[in-house]
Amino acid sequence: QSVLTQPPSVSAAPGQKVTISCSGSSSNIGNNYVSWYQQVPGTAPKLLIYDNNKRPSGIPDRFSGSKSGTSATLGITGLQTGDEADYYCGTWDSSLSAKVFGGGTKLTVL
Amino acid sequence: EVQLVESGGGLVQPGRSLRLSCAASGFTFDDYAMHWVRQAPGKGLEWVSGISWNSGNIGYADSVKGRFTISRDNAKNSLYLQMNSLRAEDTALYYCAKDIGPYYYGSGSSQHWGQGTLVTVSS
Repeated sequence: QSVLTQPPSVSAAPGQKVTISCSGSSSNIGNNYVSWYQQVPGTAPKLLIYDNNKRPSGIPDRFSGSKSGTSATLGITGLQTGDEADYYCGTWDSSLSAKVFGGGTKLTVL
Repeated sequence: EVQLVESGGGLVQPGRSLRLSCAASGFTFDDYAMHWVRQAPGKGLEWVSGISWNSGNIGYADSVKGRFTISRDNAKNSLYLQMNSLRAEDTALYYCAKDIGPYYYGSGSSQHWGQGTLVTVSS
């Protein structure tokens, strides 16, 4: 059971937009920055978003992040088949004194 | 180019020990915190341990506290994870990851990851 809650799966058609939610509490998302990672099966995770809404260099602006209260959201526009992957949110949990991840969301581009 | 190369994984019996290593290159190693993150087969990501730039701050997940020890050698640009009293539930792909800042705690993200080294605990 993950500290952060994500939907197990989402799907959308190529070219469409999708959002992935990440729900936590005041000890984690509520008082800390959120990151998002993309993991294509068989490869290492890749940082997409850090500090709630910042993109590392090389990450296209099709990917966006936001946070409100104890929840965060990853948005992906202009979906491509190459976006099919597992997506994880992550943050620090001040009560656990540990980094925590969501359970992951599998994105299918139909 | 940042490179992180893990090694030391393998098949080990329950109760035995294993030491993982991560060789870092392409950045100033002693400017950044480092982490070990694992992924059990078919499962999600689990943070295992983190260490700040100068080894002054170290943290562990409750699941490995007292059994695993993280360390780093900044002169050798290397990160280590000593794993003792291994259990079947420790079976996973272990990733070495570079933080975006000098401290392992807080909201820092892991911008670079290695390809992982597989640890299998089984009799």
